[in-house]
Amino acid sequence: DADVTQTPRNRITKTGKRIMLECSQTKGHDRMYWYRQDPGLGLQLIYYSFDVKDINKGEISDGYSVSRQAQAKFSLSLESAIPNQTALYFCATSDASRDRGNTGELFFGEGSRLTVL
Amino acid sequence: SQELEQSPQSLIVQEGKNLTINCTSSKTLYGLYWYKQKYGEGLIFLMMLQKGGEEKSHEKITAKLDEKKQQSSLHITASQPSHAGIYLCGADLTGTASKLTFGTGTRLQVTL
Repeated sequence: DADVTQTPRNRITKTGKRIMLECSQTKGHDRMYWYRQDPGLGLQLIYYSFDVKDINKGEISDGYSVSRQAQAKFSLSLESAIPNQTALYFCATSDASRDRGNTGELFFGEGSRLTVL
Repeated sequence: SQELEQSPQSLIVQEGKNLTINCTSSKTLYGLYWYKQKYGEGLIFLMMLQKGGEEKSHEKITAKLDEKKQQSSLHITASQPSHAGIYLCGADLTGTASKLTFGTGTRLQVTL
């Protein structure tokens, strides 16, 4: 099983609909992130969370909200989807504990492809 | 403007040829991460560089971080079809390791 699991993997929805993308992880990491990937734009950070009580806006948070339900779960919501939110969305985790010799790398899920018609 | 620029945006090379991808930052790189992405799939971590002048290799892929810590290069020797994909550099630009900023990616195709 994947360490970082995203659901759904693919979703087609209509303008104005509410959509939720879910992310769960078994790595035991405190930090979780949501990124969006568009062709030619690389990855852009939407929101990130360092623990259950901590939520931070990224570069492109407008039109999105998040919920950190537990250490292992971080969901991304689009309250009213619009076509320019069509993209590939990635959840990622990282381990904040430098004393275990980790490199601070991000571990990514397989991505959720969202199409808004 | 983009804080992290990658060049080239795309690259087509013949199998067996060498190639280099560059990642240039407008700010100091406190940590530089290279990832590979198969088309439409997740990102696979390749290597991380932190110290100016640092160089790391994994199989036929070598990454370097320049002395001034504002540019990194990824070099592939004797490219193979398995090297095809999108290469992304990600950077800690704050020094706090709290989040990574990514470049726009380089799409690599390897022809037979």
